[in-house]
Amino acid sequence: QQQVKQSPQSLIVQKGGISIINCAYENTAFDYFPWYQQFPGKGPALLIAIRPDVSEKKEGRFTISFNKSAKQFSLHIMDSQPGDSATYFCAAEMNRDDKIIFGKGTRLHILP
Amino acid sequence: NAGVTQTPKFQVLKTGQSMTLQCAQDMNHEYMSWYRQDPGMGLRLIHYSVGAGITDQGEVPNGYNVSRSTTEDFPLRLLSAAPSQTSVYFCASRREVFGAEAFFGQGTRLTVV
Repeated sequence: QQQVKQSPQSLIVQKGGISIINCAYENTAFDYFPWYQQFPGKGPALLIAIRPDVSEKKEGRFTISFNKSAKQFSLHIMDSQPGDSATYFCAAEMNRDDKIIFGKGTRLHILP
Repeated sequence: NAGVTQTPKFQVLKTGQSMTLQCAQDMNHEYMSWYRQDPGMGLRLIHYSVGAGITDQGEVPNGYNVSRSTTEDFPLRLLSAAPSQTSVYFCASRREVFGAEAFFGQGTRLTVV
């Protein structure tokens, strides 16, 4: 079963716009939520991560919003740039397990 | 800094052949894992290891074997390749098993004909 559901599958945004990718989870034992960014031909790389004791984390143009009661979290990319075009994966982990559970990914394309 | 190194980058196999995908890391990470990436399926865990001599199965282990004789190396063996194993394979390592950044290799694109 899919433990982390990610949407949309693909997204096209104009340069300068806001890109929003959403994820939802079922297991309340998850307590660490990273986002990974993958460029074509490369392996994924950690972009930003959040723990459920905070509702928002911002790093530059990238922000994670976390809604613990709704079991949802999202990635916002402000002032989106063509260089942000990549595949983004949300993920979840739980302390007593040793696996990263990934969403299916969102292919983001920023129009120049 | 080499990080996580995977070899080969590309491979074509015939059905029934066996091969080993190599993975090495130079960060002294205890935790290593193998994923496969297929269109629309995301990253699915094949096998993982929490230290030398310790391995366990992930979500899609069938048709694959692993061993971890050293901290640095974590090879993935395809026993008898099938077209369903056509995929991009990624090896990853991280310092801790929870809440730590995973460092991925560049991937191996495998085609089984």
